Amino acid sequence: DAGVTQSPTHLIKTRGQQVTLRCSPKSGHDTVSWYQQALGQGPQFIFQYYEEEERQRGNFPDRFSGHQFPNYSSELNVNALWLGDSALYLCASSLAGQGEEKLFFGSGTQLSVL
Amino acid sequence: GENVGLHLPTLSVQEGDNSIINCAYSNSASDYFIWYKQESGKGPQFIIDIRSNMDKRQGQRVTVLLNKTVKHLSLQIAATQPGDSAVYFCAEPSGNTGKLIFGQGTTLQVKP
Repeated sequence: DAGVTQSPTHLIKTRGQQVTLRCSPKSGHDTVSWYQQALGQGPQFIFQYYEEEERQRGNFPDRFSGHQFPNYSSELNVNALWLGDSALYLCASSLAGQGEEKLFFGSGTQLSVL
Repeated sequence: GENVGLHLPTLSVQEGDNSIINCAYSNSASDYFIWYKQESGKGPQFIIDIRSNMDKRQGQRVTVLLNKTVKHLSLQIAATQPGDSAVYFCAEPSGNTGKLIFGQGTTLQVKP
């Protein structure tokens, strides 16, 4: 049973570029959440997708957008990258109605913006 | 608003000793807390949780204590092992939004 998988594992971009990160949820899960984790900090909630729609959003600008596909996988897109967007981006999956304790995290994508 | 924070950024313990990691929260209405462990190069992993109708909950080698009077919780790890070396986060849900609020984390270093 595969857990949450994210790709790529590492990525280097330059300021102003756009990036797409991908996530496949744990088998049987239908909800995907994205978090940003800056170095030395706890993860910060970006948004959550369920039934292919953004259900909740944290305090992130519109440059951050996402998508969920019919197979429950998800993408995180960031436009006009800033140096401050450098972070570990974590995807977490869960099954709707199962509670927050059932979040399973992937290993993340390490994004470096130069 | 919600806020969870940890008291110490780094904790160093001898292998075999017990570890205690602390966390404070600000919202007296908070009723559910989760501890996560994050090893280097990996995402956070669920360790144990506790609801506000409990003061203590035990798992395998781990115990979480909740003191609602002073809005404080702690994670105790018995007989700390090298594999326990990681960053530990306390977290709480933000209402029923599905969003988790994480503290800044405590790095646990286990000395052989």
